[in-house]
Amino acid sequence: QVQLVQSGAEVKKPGASVKVSCKASGYIFTNYYMHWVRQAPGQGLEWMGIIKPSGGSTTYAQKFQDRVTMTRDTSTTTVYMELSSLKSEDTAVYYCAREGRDAYSGYDYWGQGTLVTVSS
Amino acid sequence: AIQLTQFPSSLSASVGDRVTITCRASQGVSSALAWYQQKPGKGPKLLIYDASSLESGVPSRFSGSGSGTDFTLTISSLQPEDFAIYYCQQFNTYPLTFGGGTKVEIK
Repeated sequence: QVQLVQSGAEVKKPGASVKVSCKASGYIFTNYYMHWVRQAPGQGLEWMGIIKPSGGSTTYAQKFQDRVTMTRDTSTTTVYMELSSLKSEDTAVYYCAREGRDAYSGYDYWGQGTLVTVSS
Repeated sequence: AIQLTQFPSSLSASVGDRVTITCRASQGVSSALAWYQQKPGKGPKLLIYDASSLESGVPSRFSGSGSGTDFTLTISSLQPEDFAIYYCQQFNTYPLTFGGGTKVEIK
């Protein structure tokens, strides 16, 4: 069965970086795009970017363009999201989400979420 | 960026009610729209994709319609497990964007 298992909660100081992992299993890793979405406490969903595991190409939301890096390791079927220069406003749950194969298919599987807390 | 406006932002309804949630895009997104349900402390769950296609395993009381700029999610007969927050998302243009959410509460 398809599973996306994310790394555990993190506490970081302002200005630091965080790297969240998302290990995929149960499907052909390179056949599906992966997205990252975050949700601040009590707030809505915010799209951060996409990585295409087959070639590693990425597209980021302009808001995060200068601070985010998404990578993948095909040998371990894991995608990573690194966010630098953290601010308190980056405190949120970060999700990886798999985009389905069909056009406009939405995110059919989500990771369990990783809480990142930024506090001095 | 394409803005998605959901309304209402919240509603109160009773079990058995028909519920309609609207999502309006600031520019046309064709049929590239999905709907998600999120319960407290959980990640979102895909309900509808491509504006009107029901995700596998989702009860048939959920349906989606629309194209271009105006979309609707309908729950034909609200069940106790449907009390949650619902989000729309457009897949037509980067950056992908979400609506602000609609909270469905028990009356």
